[in-house]
Amino acid sequence: DGGITQSPKYLFRKEGQNVTLSCEQNLNHDAMYWYRQDPGQGLRLIYYSQIVNDFQKGDIAEGYSVSREKKESFPLTVTSAQKNPTAFYLCASSIDGTSGYPYEQYFGPGTRLTVT
Amino acid sequence: AQKVTQAQTEISVVEKEDVTLDCVYETRDTTYYLFWYKQPPSGELVFLIRRNSFDEQNEISGRYSWNFQKSTSSFNFTITASQVVDSAVYFCALIETSGSRLTFGEGTQLTVNP
Repeated sequence: DGGITQSPKYLFRKEGQNVTLSCEQNLNHDAMYWYRQDPGQGLRLIYYSQIVNDFQKGDIAEGYSVSREKKESFPLTVTSAQKNPTAFYLCASSIDGTSGYPYEQYFGPGTRLTVT
Repeated sequence: AQKVTQAQTEISVVEKEDVTLDCVYETRDTTYYLFWYKQPPSGELVFLIRRNSFDEQNEISGRYSWNFQKSTSSFNFTITASQVVDSAVYFCALIETSGSRLTFGEGTQLTVNP
């Protein structure tokens, strides 16, 4: 089945530790996105990548880092610099990120990160 | 700057009732796209509809219908004869053609009780 995989579903870390969230897609999509979801605040864009080896900051990039070495993978690292990392993280992809047409985004099941 | 407002934080209805979810947006662009997504308890957002700013025709898909009114900057979503499986968080979102990122509203939690 084609889709987006995020693992693990639940992740627990101690404060001060970096943690990397996995996102893999087999849809052959060019563009990939990371969102953060907090209760009552909708989804906020952290980083996005329109093509391999390129990515841009979203609205709340501070304390996060990404890489896009392969088309199908877009891992997100939550660093110790992120002041409030506990949240639900969603990865998404879309067919094309550069044509200007807003193709719909397909979402993964999310990773719930808890930092104590 | 673009903005999407979903003023209804939570809605609770009884099965078979009709329910309308409101979405109001702000944008300076004349060309933009509006979306609705459904987030069931599993967490994964599911795409429902995309509408461009030049197409104000209402759309119906089964029990779902959408009413787009540029005059009031609204893109409301109606579920007819609601079912328990409709229980989810629903998000409205906007993207300007001059930009490359979606702006989401805060979401509306819909609970359909049997």
